[in-house]
Amino acid sequence: RKEVEQDPGPFNVPEGATVAFNCTYSNSASQSFFWYRQDCRKEPKLLMSVYSSGNEDGRFTAQLNRASQYISLLIRDSKLSDSATYLCVVNRDTGFQKLVFGTGTRLLVSP
Amino acid sequence: DAMVIQNPRYQVTQFGKPVTLSCSQTLNHNVMYWYQQKSSQAPKLLFHYYDKDFNNEADTPDNFQSRRPNTSFCFLDIRSPGLGDAAMYLCATSRAVGGASNQPQHFGDGTRLSIL
Repeated sequence: RKEVEQDPGPFNVPEGATVAFNCTYSNSASQSFFWYRQDCRKEPKLLMSVYSSGNEDGRFTAQLNRASQYISLLIRDSKLSDSATYLCVVNRDTGFQKLVFGTGTRLLVSP
Repeated sequence: DAMVIQNPRYQVTQFGKPVTLSCSQTLNHNVMYWYQQKSSQAPKLLFHYYDKDFNNEADTPDNFQSRRPNTSFCFLDIRSPGLGDAAMYLCATSRAVGGASNQPQHFGDGTRLSIL
């Protein structure tokens, strides 16, 4: 079983739609959590950190459920420019930041 | 702008011919990482430097080595590249002080390595 599991998609949605991605992680000692965005053939870029209380950044909302070891990302009012792969990332944090990446969920937003 | 810079962006080498990829940073971060990402796969950590201390992942092949001559630079050496080593190689940095570090990693643009 992979340490970080995501539905690979692709999720095909029209512009303006709301889409949600889910992620589960298996290591209960994980310390911090992130969503990264990766465009085709580019490097991962931090989208947002994920906090236990839930957090929002514009059209993006992230949630963390430590008891269920579950992380989510909600994108409202999808834009064409949101098309990318979204990587769920868990930090084991053993004194430095050791990130474990999910394989990503691909999002395609169409006109 | 403070950055993580990888050179070259694209590298082609021959099967078995040693190759070196480079990474530099202006963030003054004390931790530097090398990841390998193959097509449609997650980035996989190869090793990292915590200051001058080198930490190899258990499943990183011996064919992969790294050097960090100073805070700003880190190199990935592939001694005898095989066809299976064709991938995107990503360098990243972060700041860790004492214990835990929740600061996100900053990635370079990556070097795409092709093997002929």
